[in-house]
Amino acid sequence: TQLLEQSPQFLSIQEGENLTVYCNSSSVFSSLQWYRQEPGEGPVLLVTVVTGGEVKKLKRLTFQFGDARKDSSLHITAAQPGDTGLYLCAGVRGNQFYFGTGTSLTVIP
Amino acid sequence: NAGVTQTPKFQVLKTGQSMTLQCAQDMNHNSMYWYRQDPGMGLRLIYYSASEGTTDKGEVPNGYNVSRLNKREFSLRLESAAPSQTSVYFCASSDEGTSPLHFGNGTRLTVT
Repeated sequence: TQLLEQSPQFLSIQEGENLTVYCNSSSVFSSLQWYRQEPGEGPVLLVTVVTGGEVKKLKRLTFQFGDARKDSSLHITAAQPGDTGLYLCAGVRGNQFYFGTGTSLTVIP
Repeated sequence: NAGVTQTPKFQVLKTGQSMTLQCAQDMNHNSMYWYRQDPGMGLRLIYYSASEGTTDKGEVPNGYNVSRLNKREFSLRLESAAPSQTSVYFCASSDEGTSPLHFGNGTRLTVT
């Protein structure tokens, strides 16, 4: 049983469109991280959110941590082909990281 | 900077064979982790080591053993491989607190 569920599992959109990926759990985490993974490589950290309700922006990417620290969302504005990849959320508790099921994003030029 | 190095990159085993996956990090991190990645399942923790000399089971430890050889190295052993262990295996390391995981590039293992 996955502690963190991500939706959607797959997403294929046209360049320039906006999208939101959701990461939901019934458990509380001390922080939540978002990673992006390209084929043949390991995941790479995009952002860490720590405080309930926190919003962080990274260029066209906006990350939000839920008020109760159980869920998070990633919003991409004006998606580019370079945004294509697997997006993973990870809840942190102590020194353990619990990963979501992943969202595979394809941005079509 | 090398970061986290995993070997081998690819491996094919027959059912019942054994092998060891090697992992080394050069970032002086205390914690090291072994994950497996399967389609639609995200990353699942096999074992982790919070510090040199300690290891703990994760979510899916059955069929695996680990050794934290020193602060740099953390190996994963399959004593008797099964087809259900066909997967991509990732090693990662982390400093403390909210520090991120740094991943290697994975080992793609096929058990026939």
